[in-house]
Amino acid sequence: NAGVMQNPRHLVRRRGQEARLRCSPMKGHSHVYWYRQLPEEGLKFMVYLQKENIIDESGMPKERFSAEFPKEGPSILRIQQVVRGDSAAYFCASSLGAGQETQYFGPGTRLLVL
Amino acid sequence: GNSVTQMEGPVTLSEEAFLTINCTYTATGYPSLFWYVQYPGEGLQLLLKATKADDKGSNKGFEATYRKETTSFHLEKGSVQVSDSAVYFCALIAMNTGFQKLVFGTGTRLLVSP
Repeated sequence: NAGVMQNPRHLVRRRGQEARLRCSPMKGHSHVYWYRQLPEEGLKFMVYLQKENIIDESGMPKERFSAEFPKEGPSILRIQQVVRGDSAAYFCASSLGAGQETQYFGPGTRLLVL
Repeated sequence: GNSVTQMEGPVTLSEEAFLTINCTYTATGYPSLFWYVQYPGEGLQLLLKATKADDKGSNKGFEATYRKETTSFHLEKGSVQVSDSAVYFCALIAMNTGFQKLVFGTGTRLLVSP
């Protein structure tokens, strides 16, 4: 059973470009979470999605950031017009259900904005 | 609000030394508590968890006991190895959020020398 997959593992963008980060949850998991880890900090929750629905996006910046989890295909975290402060590691996690289910993390995408 | 406080690192130990990494939490109700480990350049891996008071989570020689009276979940290992060098994150899921939003501490870096 493959774990959570994320791609790309590393992404370099220039200021003003768009970044698209992909996450394929573990097989059978329909709950996806995105977290951001700034340098030398812990992970901060961004958004929680179930198939075709955003359940909670209280941790998402109000502008430039969006997320989706379509019926088919991976979850996508999209950052428009990136700025240097967006440089971070972005981690995706998935779980089998809600409640107290364990979250399993992917290897992360490390975004560097030049 | 819900929060997790960890001891600052780095924690530097010699091989076979005893390890304690302190973690305390603030939460409404009875959260589930977790320790995740992050090896260099990788994503987070669940190390152990406890879902109710007095539960002891254990894995790979590490253990932590859920102490409601002191709101703590300290990580311990009797004899560390060089391969244990990593960043350790304490985290909680609070029941009052309605879904499992992990709240992380800032992480504690462990360095084990031969």
